[in-house]
Amino acid sequence: EVQLVESGGGLVQPGGSLRLSCAASGFTLSNHWMSWVRQAPGKGLEWVANIKEDGSDKYYVDSVKGRFTISRDNAKNSLYLQMNSLRAEDTAMYYCARKNSFDLWGQGTMVTVSS
Amino acid sequence: EIVLTQSPGTLSLSPGERATLSCRASQSVSSTYLTWYQQKPGQAPRLLIYGASSRATGIPDRFSGSRSGTDFTLTISRLEPEDFAVYYCQQYGSPPYTFGQGTKVEIK
Repeated sequence: EVQLVESGGGLVQPGGSLRLSCAASGFTLSNHWMSWVRQAPGKGLEWVANIKEDGSDKYYVDSVKGRFTISRDNAKNSLYLQMNSLRAEDTAMYYCARKNSFDLWGQGTMVTVSS
Repeated sequence: EIVLTQSPGTLSLSPGERATLSCRASQSVSSTYLTWYQQKPGQAPRLLIYGASSRATGIPDRFSGSRSGTDFTLTISRLEPEDFAVYYCQQYGSPPYTFGQGTKVEIK
């Protein structure tokens, strides 16, 4: 089955760190750009970051630049998001998505930043 | 940054009616890089339309997309009960990729 499965979310204090993972199955991750998209509770969708097929290009939304790092391990068919210096406004459901047209989404992993 | 403005915020319609959702871009967006998504409560979004007018795999033909200048439109020809949801447009012509704020289609 073609799917994406996120993990690694949880409750973290402001200033803390968290690493999200996204496991791909049923297709070859290395053939596609991949993105992270988030959604704060009751709010709309916000693209966070993306990474080229071979990891050579990465882009970020301004609000996470310098704090978040997107990476991938094509041999493990996995995508990652390292989140440092977390803030309350980073509280959201985090989705990984395939391609820049987001044709496949995971079910999401919830990140809550609170003391 | 390209800002996408969706209207209306909420559309109250009955099953069988036609829904017309608008997405206006603050600057030129290539049709190639304009998509529409559907999201139901507690679920991840689902790709409906890519390239402004092409239906994604498995999407019924009651869903259609079009473009006029910087205005993009999603039309649902006859609403089915499962179509009541929130719809988002999105552009990925250049980073930062941006979404509209969403249009909620609710049962009247």
